[in-house]
Amino acid sequence: AQSVAQPEDQVNVAEGNPLTVKCTYSVSGNPYLFWYVQYPNRGLQFLLKYITGDNLVKGSYGFEAEFNKSQTSFHLKKPSALVSDSALYFCAVRDLGLGNNRLAFGKGNQVVVIP
Amino acid sequence: SAVISQKPSRDICQRGTSLTIQCQVDSQVTMMFWYRQQPGQSLTLIATANQGSEATYESGFVIDKFPISRPNLTFSTLTVSNMSPEDSSIYLCSVVRNRGPVAEAFFGQGTRLTVV
Repeated sequence: AQSVAQPEDQVNVAEGNPLTVKCTYSVSGNPYLFWYVQYPNRGLQFLLKYITGDNLVKGSYGFEAEFNKSQTSFHLKKPSALVSDSALYFCAVRDLGLGNNRLAFGKGNQVVVIP
Repeated sequence: SAVISQKPSRDICQRGTSLTIQCQVDSQVTMMFWYRQQPGQSLTLIATANQGSEATYESGFVIDKFPISRPNLTFSTLTVSNMSPEDSSIYLCSVVRNRGPVAEAFFGQGTRLTVV
């Protein structure tokens, strides 16, 4: 079955510093990979996705993620964090080998950007 | 993108009662999903709701506890029955929309349920 691991509980970063949120996945077939963000009292919002092609994917709000097949990773990055980036971030994977549209989510990472 | 209206946004309920959560989508979709996000944990899929057939439940979830309706291609409800404090969670509905070869997921704002 598909699964996602987000090893850190909370990521603290100073405003203006680079932000990285880690994600590794496990699938039986080829993966579709997603990052979602959940701001306080809001629903999930789509940030970016990897389907195929260039391993570096650019998404909303200045975020990007790099797909690394050998390491089965899809880490989320932002070169310069903003206080407004403080939120809960979820990595998700869809296993194309299973032939369904279900997403498996990681446990989420709370990102705190310190002014 | 898809616009998903989910209500109520939050509720505080007495144990033993039931709450029905509604999810309205701005266009027709084949599959709708219901997730639960317990405090400090990730999203867990409860069931997949298909129009015209019974919902498909994931392991650990049963229809008697979480009955689902899907009367048409733009609407679904999830009922949390005979609630206990352990049911306190955020419940989210989600739809999948095909964009070429890719199916992308969209989410409602969620219903924050507190059972006292």
